[in-house]
Amino acid sequence: QVQLVESGGGVVQPGRSLRLSCAASGFTFSSYGMHWLRQAPGKGLEWVAVISYDGSGTDYTDSVKGRFTISRDNSKSTLFLQVNSLREEDTAIYYCAFCRRNNYYFDCWGQGVLVTVSS
Amino acid sequence: EIVLTQSPGTLSLSPGERATLSCRASQSLSSTFLAWYQQKPGQAPRLLIYGASSRATGIPDRFSGSGSGTDFTLTIRRLEPEDSAVYFCQQYGSSPPTFGQGTKVEIK
Repeated sequence: QVQLVESGGGVVQPGRSLRLSCAASGFTFSSYGMHWLRQAPGKGLEWVAVISYDGSGTDYTDSVKGRFTISRDNSKSTLFLQVNSLREEDTAIYYCAFCRRNNYYFDCWGQGVLVTVSS
Repeated sequence: EIVLTQSPGTLSLSPGERATLSCRASQSLSSTFLAWYQQKPGQAPRLLIYGASSRATGIPDRFSGSGSGTDFTLTIRRLEPEDSAVYFCQQYGSSPPTFGQGTKVEIK
């Protein structure tokens, strides 16, 4: 059974950094592109970033380009999101997710991890 | 990027009734690359529909999707109390993938 477990969130001051992790199990992690999405408190969903199955390709939403870096370790079935230069508007629940048909909709989600950016 | 506008903002219906949720795209979607999700408080979203009309695994046939181009609809027949949630549409035909702002369905 597919399981995605995020960790690494917390309260951080503006301008600081965090590294989010997503531990995957129950499927062949190295076969799938993986995504990060986020949801600000009480708000809608926003796609953040994607990484190809082998890590050779990445893409980001414009608001995080140059600040966030998505990466993966297929030997450990783990997805990462390095978030730098955090802003208050980055406050959100961050979800890792993927699609078992390798498309850009999402049928498997983690439970999410909260990142709060506040001085 | 493609903007998705959902209506209504809130739908308040009784058990057994039918809910009709709308999602309108700011430009025509490539093929039918539209998905619908259900999200309950404190939970991650759950995929209901992909490809505008294909039900995801385990989704009851009370849920159906339709539409093409710029106008899409999620219909929930015979509402049950457990259907109380926020429903989001998402397009994935154009980068970046984008979501609508959500429709809250309340069961009276």
